Amino acid sequence: AQRVTQPEKLLSVFKGAPVELKCNYSYSGSPELFWYVQYSRQRLQLLLRHISRESIKGFTADLNKGETSFHLKKPFAQEEDSAMYYCALSGPHSSASKIIFGSGTRLSIRP
Amino acid sequence: NAGVTQTPKFRVLKTGQSMTLLCAQDMNHEYMYWYRQDPGMGLRLIHYSVGEGTTAKGEVPDGYNVSRLKKQNFLLGLESAAPSQTSVYFCASSYEELQPQHFGDGTRLSIL
Repeated sequence: AQRVTQPEKLLSVFKGAPVELKCNYSYSGSPELFWYVQYSRQRLQLLLRHISRESIKGFTADLNKGETSFHLKKPFAQEEDSAMYYCALSGPHSSASKIIFGSGTRLSIRP
Repeated sequence: NAGVTQTPKFRVLKTGQSMTLLCAQDMNHEYMYWYRQDPGMGLRLIHYSVGEGTTAKGEVPDGYNVSRLKKQNFLLGLESAAPSQTSVYFCASSYEELQPQHFGDGTRLSIL
């Protein structure tokens, strides 16, 4: 079965510290992986996708097919990074035209 | 270009009442989705549509109905609201299958 697992419901780090939000997936095939972010009082929005291989707001994520992971990383956290982060997966086998979301991780950056 | 617009933003219902949530997108997207967001459970797909006149069930469709009479609109209906349907509802759209989704601001619905 297709599944996205975000093991941490809450992650709290100090400003300037490195951040890693974990995401593991289960999928039979080659999925597309995404990270979505929801800042306070804002709509959910795409942060990055693995095929773009780009860094957005200092965040990067590498798809590790061997470990079936797509962890989100940032070397130095900033207070404005505090938000809810969702890892998501889509692919031809993900039950017809939909993206599967993880349960989300709330990132809190302490000053 | 407003993107995805959801109305209403807030609503309180009594058990057994019915209501319709409206989602409108102005990006000419084929695909539209309704999710509910609950604490600790992330986003769960209720229903989705791959084009005008089509709808399909998602992960948690029970108690909801949808319609896509026009390409730009996707309606979510609650026939007889139950307290378990208290949630934040998000609509999203995408241009193609597997493409990133664009989300609305959400509708906070409370069922008493």
